[in-house]
Amino acid sequence: DAGVIQSPRHEVTEMGQEVTLRCKPISGHNSLFWYRQTMMRGLELLIYFNNNVPIDDSGMPEDRFSAKMPNASFSTLKIQPSEPRDSAVYFCASSLGVGRQETQYFGPGTRLLVL
Amino acid sequence: QKEVEQDPGPLSVPEGAIVSLNCTYSNSAFQYFMWYRQYSRKGPELLMYTYSSGNKEDGRFTAQVDKSSKYISLFIRDSQPSDSATYLCAAESGGSYIPTFGRGTSLIVHP
Repeated sequence: DAGVIQSPRHEVTEMGQEVTLRCKPISGHNSLFWYRQTMMRGLELLIYFNNNVPIDDSGMPEDRFSAKMPNASFSTLKIQPSEPRDSAVYFCASSLGVGRQETQYFGPGTRLLVL
Repeated sequence: QKEVEQDPGPLSVPEGAIVSLNCTYSNSAFQYFMWYRQYSRKGPELLMYTYSSGNKEDGRFTAQVDKSSKYISLFIRDSQPSDSATYLCAAESGGSYIPTFGRGTSLIVHP
């Protein structure tokens, strides 16, 4: 299996622009997670889906952030408009389900720099 | 203050040393504890998963939880340069199934 696939791997954009991050989970996995990692705050959960349905979006920082999962093999995280404080590494992870000992498998991340 | 705290390091040790990585947590509801390893420019990967207090061993790695002091440890025996990575501890209360992560400790094992 190719693992979790994320694109783009790197994104540099200017403040105010729209940014779309993409994720393809591992085939057969029912749960998908979006995380953000920064030096100051560490790894933080933004939102997670189970069977394509958003379950908990309490980690989404504000209305500028939105996430969708139109089908079991694709998810997007959108930031509109982007701000310099959004600069971080964004990880997507997937698991067989949401339950104890359901290991989350992380993608390689998207490094976002907002100028 | 984060619910799970780690010293960011870096911790630099010679090859073959015993490494001790530590976390503290503040939420008494945490019952499940995890250690993830993250290589540079990669996503985290699960190393160890433990429940409540006690020890769990897996090869050169031992995870230890002391719930009375809210202290989590990961020991690495016979450390190798390939162990050089950032180690994140995480904890979960048992209701959400979603872990809360520490910031991570950077480990460097030099030959």
